Amino acid sequence: SQQGEEDPQALSIQEGENATMNCSYKTSINNLQWYRQNSGRGLVHLILIRSNEREKHSGRLRVTLDTSKKSSSLLITASRAADTASYFCATDANNDMRFGAGTRLTVKP
Amino acid sequence: NAGVMQNPRHLVRRRGQEARLRCSPMKGHSHVYWYRQLPEEGLKFMVYLQKENIIDESGMPKERFSAEFPKEGPSILRIQQVVRGDSAAYFCASSPPRLGASEQYFGPGTRLTVT
Repeated sequence: SQQGEEDPQALSIQEGENATMNCSYKTSINNLQWYRQNSGRGLVHLILIRSNEREKHSGRLRVTLDTSKKSSSLLITASRAADTASYFCATDANNDMRFGAGTRLTVKP
Repeated sequence: NAGVMQNPRHLVRRRGQEARLRCSPMKGHSHVYWYRQLPEEGLKFMVYLQKENIIDESGMPKERFSAEFPKEGPSILRIQQVVRGDSAAYFCASSPPRLGASEQYFGPGTRLTVT
């Protein structure tokens, strides 16, 4: 079953722009993870942020976590056409992992 | 409409034994993905199957691991001669015949402990 809810469901931007996706959840968590999925492929793990962390960077990715609001955001800077994919958040709470429905990102060249 | 089901939820095996993990996809779904998650790490893709067909097994270890999705019945992930390093949570996900990234549904996982 799903817990995280991504927002927006779909996002279309021009190459070079930044893309921000949000994830909200309901219960307390140990960590939150972001994944990417290209059409027809499995999920690829992007980044994990623990509940005691507020921000994490990896290359062009920046993830924030606000446990008081039970929300996280994924920012992709200087987007490229190759970033076109769906992005999922997943919450890990006491070894119970739940996924959101995903944000479909389209980056136009 | 039942979600993706995995059983058992917890499995304990001694080193050298075999582990069989089952995944029943959602009704109408003919695609199954298997993932492995080590403690405090993200999911790692293992294999993608359609009915009676392995589409992508690029994430599967070359030895001891195999997966199948028969015409009838659940998908099975089989680990032979388990070792301690196989201890992990194994998740499967299913999606309908028309692939859409937002239509992948995950099961609750099977936690394998190798003693």
